[in-house]
Amino acid sequence: GESVGLHLPTLSVQEGDNSIINCAYSNSASDYFIWYKQESGKGPQFIIDIRSNMDKRQGQRVTVLLNKTVKHLSLQIAATQPGDSAVYFCAETLFGNEKLTFGTGTRLTIIP
Amino acid sequence: NAGVTQTPKFRILKIGQSMTLQCTQDMNHNYMYWYRQDPGMGLKLIYYSVGAGITDKGEVPNGYNVSRSTTEDFPLRLELAAPSQTSVYFCASSYTGGREKLFFGSGTQLSVL
Repeated sequence: GESVGLHLPTLSVQEGDNSIINCAYSNSASDYFIWYKQESGKGPQFIIDIRSNMDKRQGQRVTVLLNKTVKHLSLQIAATQPGDSAVYFCAETLFGNEKLTFGTGTRLTIIP
Repeated sequence: NAGVTQTPKFRILKIGQSMTLQCTQDMNHNYMYWYRQDPGMGLKLIYYSVGAGITDKGEVPNGYNVSRSTTEDFPLRLELAAPSQTSVYFCASSYTGGREKLFFGSGTQLSVL
């Protein structure tokens, strides 16, 4: 079936460096994508979203890139801080579908 | 606003016992969702609701039941608990459905022994 997956289950980054978390999706009809951050013991928290009519969207220290040709999504975090340590999930949906499909997640660890 | 509130935070059940996980939101959201998260895994949708009186199955509905009698509340019922239902359960809500950000509760950690 269709699924959303991540290339790397874990990622360690030096504090202050930039992080890139990748996500592959298989449903070419998906037109809405979203990134969530989940800190230990907490529920997922919205970071940023992007619709398929865009290639790039920027937030505060975060940028999401969408490459529809290769069905790839990435989350870039600039100047990572200890508070960025968490599991990051991508999710997708398509028009008419009220449900998000979540990937398995990438654990980001910031090294002091 | 409290957002999405889940109770209890932790629970241990014996095989065959029943329980209800409570979820309430104070944002007047139409859409509510129940997910389960197994260790090291992503979230899988159990049930969802698009409004009071309307519910539908997600990916993994077996062993669970839901009801939505009010906009605010969306309880999840486990009738005959099984070890396979050991997981962390998250309730979420949104105003217009899956094409906008979901607001999640802090989760219920359930162990079935």
